[in-house]
Amino acid sequence: GDSVTQMEGPVTLSEEAFLTINCTYTATGYPSLFWYVQYPGEGLQLLLKATKADDKGSNKGFEATYRKETTSFHLEKGSVQVSDSAVYFCALSYGSSNTGKLIFGQGTTLQVKP
Amino acid sequence: SAVISQKPSRDICQRGTSLTIQCQVDSQVTMMFWYRQQPGQSLTLIATANQGSEATYESGFVIDKFPISRPNLTFSTLTVSNLSPEDSSIYLCSAQARLNTDTQYFGPGTRLTVL
Repeated sequence: GDSVTQMEGPVTLSEEAFLTINCTYTATGYPSLFWYVQYPGEGLQLLLKATKADDKGSNKGFEATYRKETTSFHLEKGSVQVSDSAVYFCALSYGSSNTGKLIFGQGTTLQVKP
Repeated sequence: SAVISQKPSRDICQRGTSLTIQCQVDSQVTMMFWYRQQPGQSLTLIATANQGSEATYESGFVIDKFPISRPNLTFSTLTVSNLSPEDSSIYLCSAQARLNTDTQYFGPGTRLTVL
């Protein structure tokens, strides 16, 4: 079945460092791909998404490109801030279109130190 | 966008009892979902809450254990029945505002501990 695999955390970086969180997926068909973020004490928020191959999602300085050939959707940011400390979830949509069903990776905790 | 609240935010329950979690959305939404996040694990979809009809359950989840109601377009409840320690998890409600969109909004979650 469909699945999502993320790199294990926690990831600890210094402020202004470059961030990569790896995400690979297995899917039949052509899912949409997402990154969600969960800040401490808050609910999940959609960070960015891509709906087809070679699409790049971007938001708040974060980017991820839908790579069908490598079945990947790695999250990157050029310069992280302390406020980026959170748990990041990669996810894909599955089932027929507009079902809204999501499969999540296990989450990666990011800690940014000043 | 949609703002989602859940009650309670956390609870500690005894084995064999039940807990009902409420999910309230600040606007009418087309689809609502319930997820479970077990300790140290990913989010898993339990069911789609259908307005005015029975929920649609994912493989491994059954109505007797996780009865769901959705009486209108802004509200849903999830009951976790006959609790066991294995039910200790965070339960999250989410909503999709419109059809033909992938965007889901999530509630803050309910942390359940079963003793």
